Amino acid sequence: AQKITQTQPGMFVQEKEAVTLDCTYDTSDPSYGLFWYKQPSSGEMIFLIYQGSYDQQNATEGRYSLNFQKARKSANLVISASQLGDSAMYFCVRGKLIFGQGTTLQVKP
Amino acid sequence: EAQVTQNPRYLITVTGKKLTVTCSQNMNHEYMSWYRQDPGLGLRQIYYSMNVEVTDKGDVPEGYKVSRKEKRNFPLILESPSPNQTSLYFCASSLSPLAGGLYEQYFGPGTRLTVT
Repeated sequence: AQKITQTQPGMFVQEKEAVTLDCTYDTSDPSYGLFWYKQPSSGEMIFLIYQGSYDQQNATEGRYSLNFQKARKSANLVISASQLGDSAMYFCVRGKLIFGQGTTLQVKP
Repeated sequence: EAQVTQNPRYLITVTGKKLTVTCSQNMNHEYMSWYRQDPGLGLRQIYYSMNVEVTDKGDVPEGYKVSRKEKRNFPLILESPSPNQTSLYFCASSLSPLAGGLYEQYFGPGTRLTVT
């Protein structure tokens, strides 16, 4: 079965430090996309970053970057310089709408 | 502004009373889908639609119906709601679910449904 695994149900990070959220996936598709979404306590889903399987470089969007290792089938999200507003649940999503279980991140002041 | 809207945002209802949650997008997206989100289970797909008049079951379709008569609208219908359908529901749309899914999904704000 094609699935997404996020092994960290919850994480803590100190404000201003970097944090990595893990994501591994299964797929037999030759090309695919990987997405990360943020869900704050208010409930909405916010798109953060996208990585295409054939992209030569790892995706970056401001403080977010994706550590994409295709051979290992991993797509870890790196948040640099954490802020209190980063406290939320984060979902790794593979194209064809397969969601991981999510990681709850709490940023400590 | 590009967006997906859902209504209502909050709904408390009783077992067996038919309800409809509306979803509308203004981006001319072909693909629309419905998810439910439950603690510990993440998001699970209920139904999806590749285009007008084309719908298909997701992972948890039991107890739900959908229709896609127009490209912009994709309502979710609960003919006879039960307490186990208490959940947070999201509608989403994207350009096209090409193999591998290469396009970002846009999510609605969510609908919190409680069935007593």
